[in-house]
Amino acid sequence: QKEVEQDPGPLSVPEGAIVSLNCTYSNSAFQYFMWYRQYSRKGPELLMYTYSSGNKEDGRFTAQVDKSSKYISLFIRDSQPSDSATYLCAMSEGDSNYQLIWGAGTKLIIKP
Amino acid sequence: DVKVTQSSRYLVKRTGEKVFLECVQDMDHENMFWYRQDPGLGLRLIYFSYDVKMKEKGDIPEGYSVSREKKERFSLILESASTNQTSMYLCASSLNQVLTGELFFGEGSRLTVL
Repeated sequence: QKEVEQDPGPLSVPEGAIVSLNCTYSNSAFQYFMWYRQYSRKGPELLMYTYSSGNKEDGRFTAQVDKSSKYISLFIRDSQPSDSATYLCAMSEGDSNYQLIWGAGTKLIIKP
Repeated sequence: DVKVTQSSRYLVKRTGEKVFLECVQDMDHENMFWYRQDPGLGLRLIYFSYDVKMKEKGDIPEGYSVSREKKERFSLILESASTNQTSMYLCASSLNQVLTGELFFGEGSRLTVL
């Protein structure tokens, strides 16, 4: 069993829809959670970073952590075609970036 | 803007060849990383470096070595390429090791070993 699981998709939704992207994990010691976005033929770029449980909002993006269920989510409101990308979750027990464990990514397609 | 440049976007090599993948960052970052990315698997850390001439093994170092002679440059070396090393290789840099400092990635080097 992988430490971090992500549905690979593709997830296809119409423009303007609310998108929910999810990761589940098995290690209850994970405390740091990140979402990266990767456009086709590009490297990943950081979208959101959260520590422990709770929600964090940044514009149209909301990251949510439920440690009791070992489940994290990224919500995208008013989705745009420019949001079409692969979304990677990453998490860590400790506060060191070389300890990150990555999900395989979910491919998201926003249809105009 | 931070820029991480991987010199080769696409390479095709034969089994047994020696392969060099070069990465340069322009923001004076302390840390540099090499990952590989394969379909259905998360990014896997091969090696990282926290200073010139310093290196640490990641999760999958077997079959790879690295070199960091200058702060801005981090090279990944495949001494004898094998078909199971066909992959996308991503270089990244960060200011320090603290997780709140994001990783900045290059655009990747897609290596095919025949």
